[in-house]
Amino acid sequence: GESVGLHLPTLSVQEGDNSIINCAYSNSASDYFIWYKQESGKGPQFIIDIRSNMDKRQGQRVTVLLNKTVKHLSLQIAATQPGDSAVYFCAERTRGSARQLTFGSGTQLTVLP
Amino acid sequence: DAMVIQNPRYQVTQFGKPVTLSCSQTLNHNVMYWYQQKSSQAPKLLFHYYDKDFNNEADTPDNFQSRRPNTSFCFLDIRSPGLGDAAMYLCATGQDNSNQPQHFGDGTRLSIL
Repeated sequence: GESVGLHLPTLSVQEGDNSIINCAYSNSASDYFIWYKQESGKGPQFIIDIRSNMDKRQGQRVTVLLNKTVKHLSLQIAATQPGDSAVYFCAERTRGSARQLTFGSGTQLTVLP
Repeated sequence: DAMVIQNPRYQVTQFGKPVTLSCSQTLNHNVMYWYQQKSSQAPKLLFHYYDKDFNNEADTPDNFQSRRPNTSFCFLDIRSPGLGDAAMYLCATGQDNSNQPQHFGDGTRLSIL
């Protein structure tokens, strides 16, 4: 079956460094992608999204890159802060199943002092 | 202000004793979702309501039911909870036919004694 998956289950970075979290997807029919941040004991929180007609989108300290050729999505966090420590999930929406998201397995980001 | 509100945040029930989890939204979204999330895993979709139209996932056990009496409220009923049903239950909302992310509540953590 087709799935969304993450390359690394855990990532540790020094405070102030940039973080890159990667996500592979295999469904070429996906047209919308979302990154969520989930802190312990809380629900997933929207960070940034991107449509398949774009290859880059920037927010405040975050950038999402989409490479449709290799079906790869990444989240870049600039100047990582302790408050960025969380699990990050990518999710995709497939054309034809517009109400549903397929989640990747998640990456635990730990920011070291 | 919270836009997707789940009550209670923590629920303890006995093995086999029916339990109901509730979700309300202030976003007026036409789709409401229930997810199950176990430790260190991605959220798993159980079912969703598109307006009053109930959509069950193929692998959701019959033990799980849902009700949506109006746009704002949705309930998850577990008829006979087993030990394997201990998890975080997340409610989310979305607007169909829009390039908008799903919005999640902070979940109800269910424990089974």
